[in-house]
Amino acid sequence: SAVISQKPSRDICQRGTSLTIQCQVDSQVTMMFWYRQQPGQSLTLIATANQGSEATYESGFVIDKFPISRPNLTFSTLTVSNMSPEDSSIYLCSVEDPGRSSYEQYFGPGTRLTVT
Amino acid sequence: RKEVEQDPGPFNVPEGATVAFNCTYSNSASQSFFWYRQDCRKEPKLLMSVYSSGNEDGRFTAQLNRASQYISLLIRDSKLSDSATYLCAVNVLRGQNFVFGPGTRLSVLP
Repeated sequence: SAVISQKPSRDICQRGTSLTIQCQVDSQVTMMFWYRQQPGQSLTLIATANQGSEATYESGFVIDKFPISRPNLTFSTLTVSNMSPEDSSIYLCSVEDPGRSSYEQYFGPGTRLTVT
Repeated sequence: RKEVEQDPGPFNVPEGATVAFNCTYSNSASQSFFWYRQDCRKEPKLLMSVYSSGNEDGRFTAQLNRASQYISLLIRDSKLSDSATYLCAVNVLRGQNFVFGPGTRLSVLP
C-alpha cells in the first residue's frame, strides 16, 4: 500500500492563528482526501483534493476556513484558518492506492491539533 | 437516518470468544465496502475489503448482504490484541470519498 506521511504529527495552537498540515505520499495518486476526527467521533470528510483543480468541499466546510493546495500528484496541504477550540481534532489525509484495482483507501498517521 | 450505522458498543468479550459486528448503509448505489480497525490515538488501518461472495482472512470473516444493505464482521477466537474500534466504510464510486460509520469499540478481556 502507499506510504503516507503527515507533518506536523501534533501541535498546540492559540485561537485566531492558522496551521498548515502537509501530506506526502510515496507514489503518484489522483485524489487525496482530508478528514477530520473529533474526539470520540468517527471520520468526517472535509474535502477531496485533485491535482490541477479546486478542492471539492463537503457540506459544512468552506475554502476560507480550510484552504487546500494540491501542487502535484504526491503532495497536499490543508490549512486550518483562524482557529478556535472547536477545531481541536485529528486531521487525516487519505489516498486511494494507485497500485490496486480495488477501491481501498489508506490513511496518513494524522495530525493531532489542540487549540487553546 | 445516517448513511452508515453500526452496532453501538462497547463490546466486552473474553479471550477466545467469537464476536460479530453489523453495519448498515442507506445508499443502495454503494459499490464498495470495507472494515477498518482503529487503535487508540492511531489512524484507521484497513482490515479487509468486503466482497459480494463474502471473504475470510484468518480469524476474520466479512459478509455483504446487498438486499438488506448491511455488512458484517465476525472475529473468531478473539485475542487481546483485537481490542480496538472497528469502523465500517462504504463508497459509491472509485475515487470518491468513503462514508464511515461511527465505529464499534471492542475490548477483549483476559
